[in-house]
Amino acid sequence: AQSVTQLDSHVSVSEGTPVLLRCNYSSSYSPSLFWYVQHPNKGLQLLLKYTSAATLVKGINGFEAEFKKSETSFHLTKPSAHMSDAAEYFCVVRTINTDKLIFGTGTRLQVFP
Amino acid sequence: NAGVMQNPRHLVRRRGQEARLRCSPMKGHSHVYWYRQLPEEGLKFMVYLQKENIIDESGMPKERFSAEFPKEGPSILRIQQVVRGDSAAYFCASSPDYSNQPQHFGDGTRLSIL
Repeated sequence: AQSVTQLDSHVSVSEGTPVLLRCNYSSSYSPSLFWYVQHPNKGLQLLLKYTSAATLVKGINGFEAEFKKSETSFHLTKPSAHMSDAAEYFCVVRTINTDKLIFGTGTRLQVFP
Repeated sequence: NAGVMQNPRHLVRRRGQEARLRCSPMKGHSHVYWYRQLPEEGLKFMVYLQKENIIDESGMPKERFSAEFPKEGPSILRIQQVVRGDSAAYFCASSPDYSNQPQHFGDGTRLSIL
């Protein structure tokens, strides 16, 4: 069975400092992995996706993630946090048979001035 | 190009009433997915539909919940005889009719049961 584990429920950073949101996956075959962001009372916006092409994936708003098979990880990073990055972030894996998404429990990012 | 449209954004029902949630996929998308987000939790898959077909309903509760995606019109998630535990945000996502494409989400319907 496929699953994702987000290692931190909350992350707090100061504006201008780097962001690291951690995600580990479990899959018996090469997974399709995504990061989505959810702002309060809004839907989910796709940040980036990994689908077995380049292992370093660049997304929107300066975010990127690196797929590391040896560590079964897909951590999300950003060099410099902005106040507008404060939101809930979900690491997601897609099942191969029916395309449904399996979500991690989310990481709430706080950005302090 | 309009995104995934869900309505209503907020829905209040009393216990025992019916709730109908609507989702219009993005233009050109023929696959629709419904997810439920309980307070302080991630999203959980409910059902996957294509036009006039239910492909996977493994996440749907066995009773009171049903979904459809007719040939014409939006997809409907229907909850009969609602209970307090149905209070949640319900999100719809859509994707095009070819593989390996990400799902695009609507802003959700927040259902509150009094």
